[in-house]
Amino acid sequence: QKEVEQDPGPLSVPEGAIVSLNCTYSNSAFQYFMWYRQYSRKGPELLMYTYSSGNKEDGRFTAQVDKSSKYISLFIRDSQPSDSATYLCAMSKNSGGSNYKLTFGKGTLLTVNP
Amino acid sequence: GAVVSQHPSRVICKSGTSVKIECRSLDFQATTMFWYRQFPKQSLMLMATSNEGSKATYEQGVEKDKFLINHASLTLSTLTVTSAHPEDSSFYICSAGTGAQEETQYFGPGTRLLVL
Repeated sequence: QKEVEQDPGPLSVPEGAIVSLNCTYSNSAFQYFMWYRQYSRKGPELLMYTYSSGNKEDGRFTAQVDKSSKYISLFIRDSQPSDSATYLCAMSKNSGGSNYKLTFGKGTLLTVNP
Repeated sequence: GAVVSQHPSRVICKSGTSVKIECRSLDFQATTMFWYRQFPKQSLMLMATSNEGSKATYEQGVEKDKFLINHASLTLSTLTVTSAHPEDSSFYICSAGTGAQEETQYFGPGTRLLVL
């Protein structure tokens, strides 16, 4: 079993839809959780960074962490065509990742259709 | 803030030549830098972690003599692919972190390498 599982999709939704992206993990040692967005042929861009269970909201994006279920989610409200990208979940055991390696999911390819 | 640049963005070279890729943190000091490789439709694969002024730590299966990493300053790390071959063609991405426990790492835009 891989440490981090993420459905690669592809996921296609109409503009304005609510998008739900998820990752599960097997190692309870993960403490720090991130979501990155990667456009084609570009480097990943940090979207959300959370520590511990709970919700964090930033504009149209909401990140949820449920440590008891080892499950993290990213919700995108009022999705736009510009949200079309690959979304990568990442997590770390020892720190936020600033000085320690991250473990990534495979990424979910999202297409938002106008 | 937290901007990381890479140069070049794209490089094409002949088999057997060496290629150097630069990674710079533009608005913060990066005590730790990471180098990743990404194949099409695949996730990021960590190659090595480098700390300023010390030798890089390579992940299992990554040849340190082929992928030379130098982290000479708090804002610059370089990856040199020595004697490149077509199978080294890939998307190379660096990331950088301040080293602070509660912070995460920020990625550069990536370098696409094509070895003919």
